[in-house]
Amino acid sequence: DSGVTQTPKHLITATGQRVTLRCSPRSGDLSVYWYQQSLDQGLQFLIQYYNGEERAKGNILERFSAQQFPDLHSELNLSSLELGDSALYFCASSPRRAGGTDTQYFGPGTRLTVL
Amino acid sequence: GENVEQHPSTLSVQEGDSAVIKCTYSDSASNYFPWYKQELGKGPQLIIDIRSNVGEKKDQRIAVTLNKTAKHFSLHITETQPEDSAVYFCAASGNTGNQFYFGTGTSLTVIP
Repeated sequence: DSGVTQTPKHLITATGQRVTLRCSPRSGDLSVYWYQQSLDQGLQFLIQYYNGEERAKGNILERFSAQQFPDLHSELNLSSLELGDSALYFCASSPRRAGGTDTQYFGPGTRLTVL
Repeated sequence: GENVEQHPSTLSVQEGDSAVIKCTYSDSASNYFPWYKQELGKGPQLIIDIRSNVGEKKDQRIAVTLNKTAKHFSLHITETQPEDSAVYFCAASGNTGNQFYFGTGTSLTVIP
């Protein structure tokens, strides 16, 4: 158990809908990262937050957004869902800010299925 | 940006044999190279990592080697056991903050 928690574990929804995925980092970790894992794309970095502020953006679609709250938990919002958004979404956390190469600890993931 | 390639994509070994997975990276500024193991239905779990100021690191049956000149690093698992069966991912980081660039994964099967 990495100490990173994610809810829900599974999510099934329809095209065009909006969903919110939630992540709680390890105790004391200030950075949160979101990744998408699909069969043909591997693990793709989406976005990073540090202590409530956005720090880095990867291949995140404009339909997706994220935020980190004062208690350091993070939410990933996916809107106008398409079939191709079906994937595993992982959250990871690390202790320090961007600029240092810290180990990232992954949560168990949320499996999103868009029908 | 960084590009990480990983080979092979699948690997089958007999129990007790060794397994080697290789990764190459493109950005010479990368300085941190973790390896993750992902079992079915679970998140990636860190198994070993190495920083660019070290050439080799070992933890029991697992070792990682790094060749900065050639820009490649490898995972070595000795005396493999059925519970080593999983997908293994390499990653590189360091040129732009803490963003990790992952390889495409190696599905390892250890045959009892």
